[in-house]
Amino acid sequence: NAGVMQNPRHLVRRRGQEARLRCSPMKGHSHVYWYRQLPEEGLKFMVYLQKENIIDESGMPKERFSAEFPKEGPSILRIQQVVRGDSAAYFCASSPPGGHEQYFGPGTRLTVT
Amino acid sequence: GEDVEQSLFLSVREGDSSVINCTYTDSSSTYLYWYKQEPGAGLQLLTYIFSNMDMKQDQRLTVLLNKKDKHLSLRIADTQTGDSAIYFCAELAGNNRKLIWGLGTSLAVNP
Repeated sequence: NAGVMQNPRHLVRRRGQEARLRCSPMKGHSHVYWYRQLPEEGLKFMVYLQKENIIDESGMPKERFSAEFPKEGPSILRIQQVVRGDSAAYFCASSPPGGHEQYFGPGTRLTVT
Repeated sequence: GEDVEQSLFLSVREGDSSVINCTYTDSSSTYLYWYKQEPGAGLQLLTYIFSNMDMKQDQRLTVLLNKKDKHLSLRIADTQTGDSAIYFCAELAGNNRKLIWGLGTSLAVNP
């Protein structure tokens, strides 16, 4: 059973560009979570999604950030008009229906130049 | 509010036991977790404990939970150089599914 997959592993964007981060959950997992790890800081929850539904987006910045988990395909975290402060490691996790454990992918390290 | 605190650094000698401590504030937490992060890597779920338990053992790992003091610890027996990493404590907050994280404890194992 493959683990949580994220791509790309590293992403470099210039200020003002868009960043798209992808996450494929573990097989059989229907819950996806996104977390952000800023340099020298801990992880912060961003959003929790189930297929086609956003369940909790209380950690998402109000502007420029959006997330989706379509019926088919990976979950996407989209950051529009990136700024230097968006540089961070973005981690995706998944859990099975009824399960509480969250299993993490390797992360996408976003650098904004 | 929700908050998780850990000491930032721990240094031990190879073969000794390591004890990493964590305190949390949310008394409605249902599960508490320990994750391991190696440099440049993702987060590996090491173990977890349900809030109505006070101890859980899994091979070299022992988790102790003092719910009254909201204190969680992770003991690693016979610490090896491969255990060098950052260890994060996290709680599953209340009725939702978001994890609240400590800042991580950087464990250095000296030969």
